[in-house]
Amino acid sequence: GAVVSQHPSRVICKSGTSVKIECRSLDFQATTMFWYRQFPKQSLMLMATSNEGSKATYEQGVEKDKFLINHASLTLSTLTVTSAHPEDSSFYICSARDRSVGSYNSPLHFGNGTRLTVT
Amino acid sequence: AQTVTQSQPEMSVQEAETVTLSCTYDTSENNYYLFWYKQPPSRQMILVIRQEAYKQQNATENRFSVNFQKAAKSFSLKISDSQLGDTAMYFCAFTDTDKLIFGTGTRLQVFP
Repeated sequence: GAVVSQHPSRVICKSGTSVKIECRSLDFQATTMFWYRQFPKQSLMLMATSNEGSKATYEQGVEKDKFLINHASLTLSTLTVTSAHPEDSSFYICSARDRSVGSYNSPLHFGNGTRLTVT
Repeated sequence: AQTVTQSQPEMSVQEAETVTLSCTYDTSENNYYLFWYKQPPSRQMILVIRQEAYKQQNATENRFSVNFQKAAKSFSLKISDSQLGDTAMYFCAFTDTDKLIFGTGTRLQVFP
């Protein structure tokens, strides 16, 4: 089955530093990837839609200069949390849609998530 | 904007029994898709079942089935013969575009 690899699974960083999270589709090509944020015991909130070869589309209220998204290839999207603060501590999950399947009704494949702790 | 509501923050069921999780949504679109995802303690998101809005027949996947009421904008999940491994967070989700919008989730605990 389709596998999405997300790395790292856990990261601890100091306040003011930047952290990069990678999301790779291992056995399929993904024109579009999505980044979600999940607070403890809460739902997944869509942060942005990452499109290969173009700028990401951010949801309302998400700071694009703080959460930099790059989708340089059909198998890799990265999320960089810049100048991290303790309030950025959260669980971040990426997902991808197999472009060969096509339409928006096809299920998303999710990474295992990254737990970010900013001290 | 589309919204997805799950009114049951927590549910519990005894092993081998049946439980139903509720979900309602709001949209002005006619064509869309609905999903139930499971998130166990490992935090991995797992697709449980999918329903196309244009299909009247309710989707089923083994012990999992849905009751899709389009006019009422309701999409409940029934888990039959509950197993301990069903313990997880369950999220209802909606899409009519590229984006997948999740409900607030229901935490299901299956007791032996």
